[in-house]
Amino acid sequence: ILNVEQSPQSLHVQEGDSTNFTCSFPSSNFYALHWYRWETAKSPEALFVMTLNGDEKKKGRISATLNTKEGYSYLYIKGSQPEDSATYLCAFIASNYQLIWGAGTKLIIKP
Amino acid sequence: DAGVIQSPRHEVTEMGQEVTLRCKPISGHDYLFWYRQTMMRGLELLIYFNNNVPIDDSGMPEDRFSAKMPNASFSTLKIQPSEPRDSAVYFCAVDSYYGYTFGSGTRLTVV
Repeated sequence: ILNVEQSPQSLHVQEGDSTNFTCSFPSSNFYALHWYRWETAKSPEALFVMTLNGDEKKKGRISATLNTKEGYSYLYIKGSQPEDSATYLCAFIASNYQLIWGAGTKLIIKP
Repeated sequence: DAGVIQSPRHEVTEMGQEVTLRCKPISGHDYLFWYRQTMMRGLELLIYFNNNVPIDDSGMPEDRFSAKMPNASFSTLKIQPSEPRDSAVYFCAVDSYYGYTFGSGTRLTVV
């Protein structure tokens, strides 16, 4: 059974602080890992598509790393702002194109 | 490019009625996905198409659900007859190099 876990489930961060959270996924049959940002009442927005072990990607204050051998990815947010409040989802795509979503990390930025 | 367009945005129907959800995907993408999002189960893949052909419909809850993609620019998800437990937000998405692009979703309420 393929399982994708995200931790923590929720996170309260003071505005201006940096934070990070984790997505754990199977280390076999890896094809890709996606990160999404999902605000309430909107559709998920793709942040990163990661395919290679050791990948590091950056988009403004948000960055992500990938370790396919040990099966984890970190998402970092530097200098959190209120608009960063959202649920961050990771999705593991296996080599047979099966896609498995994590349950998400709900991030709340406190002003 | 207007993105992935779903209609209607909101649908309220009575139990037992037929419901049809529509998706107009971005052109040039080989894969189209239908997802359902509920508070209890999160984001679930219902079915996906490759080049208009259904590939995996194992996520379709039961025979009351059916999906079609008659051409590359249009897909429908039909529920007949609808039940209150079908109430959810239904998303259509296409794949891209940058990840999945989601439509804005259809919020279905079955009373």
